[in-house]
Amino acid sequence: GQNIDQPTEMTATEGAIVQINCTYQTSGFNGLFWYQQHAGEAPTFLSYNVLDGLEEKGRFSSFLSRSKGYSYLLLKELQMKDSASYLCAVSHRGSQGNLIFGKGTKLSVKP
Amino acid sequence: EAGVTQSPTHLIKTRGQQVTLRCSPISGHTSVYWYQQALGLGLQFLLWYDEGEERNRGNFPPRFSGRQFPNYSSELNVNALELEDSALYLCASSLAGGTYEQYFGPGTRLTVT
Repeated sequence: GQNIDQPTEMTATEGAIVQINCTYQTSGFNGLFWYQQHAGEAPTFLSYNVLDGLEEKGRFSSFLSRSKGYSYLLLKELQMKDSASYLCAVSHRGSQGNLIFGKGTKLSVKP
Repeated sequence: EAGVTQSPTHLIKTRGQQVTLRCSPISGHTSVYWYQQALGLGLQFLLWYDEGEERNRGNFPPRFSGRQFPNYSSELNVNALELEDSALYLCASSLAGGTYEQYFGPGTRLTVT
């Protein structure tokens, strides 16, 4: 089966760095996505990793280790607007087109 | 460039009724995906359409169905509505192939009473 785990909630301070972890178990791994979802809004695409290593995009970075079934999203210089849910999603060859989503990590940024 | 659009924004239906939700993908995208996001649950994959064909469906009963039109827009139909169908229904689109990043529309909030 397919399984994705991420923490339910996290709290961090404005200006700080936070790391949101995601572990997955899936056969035929074909890539990992991170999405940001503000309350009541649609998810917006943040990053995509298919090879091991770190992908940096401005204040956001995403890391993947395929051998460990592990990814993290790193948010630097946190801003209040970063308060949102962060969704980890995995694509696998066994089910094309189907992104398997974790339940999301709700991040609260405090002043 | 316009994003994924969905209509209607909100909908209230009664148990047993039928509903049709609509989605227009980003220009140039041929794949359309439908997801259900119920309260407290993660996004659950419903259906994937590409080039007018249903390519994959998630673990949902047959009363969830849809289609994709020649202009790549799509409809999701839900028959015999049940209370647990109350959810946010999200449509996403991507370039063809099913392995590209998916871009989501604003969703349709369906409430079944």
